[in-house]
Amino acid sequence: GAVVSQHPSRVICKSGTSVKIECRSLDFQATTMFWYRQFPKKSLMLMATSNEGSKATYEQGVEKDKFLINHASLTLSTLTVTSAHPEDSSFYICSASGRVVGGRADTQYFGPGTRLTVL
Amino acid sequence: RKEVEQDPGPFNVPEGATVAFNCTYSNSASQSFFWYRQDCRKEPKLLMSVYSSGNEDGRFTAQLNRASQYISLLIRDSKLSDSATYLCVVNRNNDMRFGAGTRLTVKP
Repeated sequence: GAVVSQHPSRVICKSGTSVKIECRSLDFQATTMFWYRQFPKKSLMLMATSNEGSKATYEQGVEKDKFLINHASLTLSTLTVTSAHPEDSSFYICSASGRVVGGRADTQYFGPGTRLTVL
Repeated sequence: RKEVEQDPGPFNVPEGATVAFNCTYSNSASQSFFWYRQDCRKEPKLLMSVYSSGNEDGRFTAQLNRASQYISLLIRDSKLSDSATYLCVVNRNNDMRFGAGTRLTVKP
């Protein structure tokens, strides 16, 4: 149990376009979803936390108008990178926590990540 | 001071060696603790939770010292497949903070 999928796995886009990344919990209800960004050889940096049906809470320094997060259901959250620029190129990873059979409610389960390259 | 600090390594050890990783955290109100492993260009995967009394899972042993705000991970009889980056994770009110990771390479 506790499988999280992410789509797409890789995106290459032109500067100025918007990119949507989907994160789904496949076999549990994710009451909370998290979006992280990781640059090469660096640690995971939390971008925002979202609870189903409410607005996301963004970390300091993360522009909410640039990184739009929607958590419309207990199994789906989306991150849209608007007007992407080359400096937005990174590995974007979502995670989810919730009621997992045999697991802890505070454990985060990660999606496989989306590698975004903005040309 | 970072919220979660780890020895960045790298640790290069031969197969069969025992290796230990340390981690300290700054927020005394932290509630739960985890070790994750992350392979190159992959997502982190939960290795084990860390309990106050210490816990073991096969070759892996985790210890927590709340008074010193210190967490450790011991890997015995290391395998080539243990090569990865090990992330110390500290949680408070569903706000998880990751250490920068300790890189381990196990060599034949």
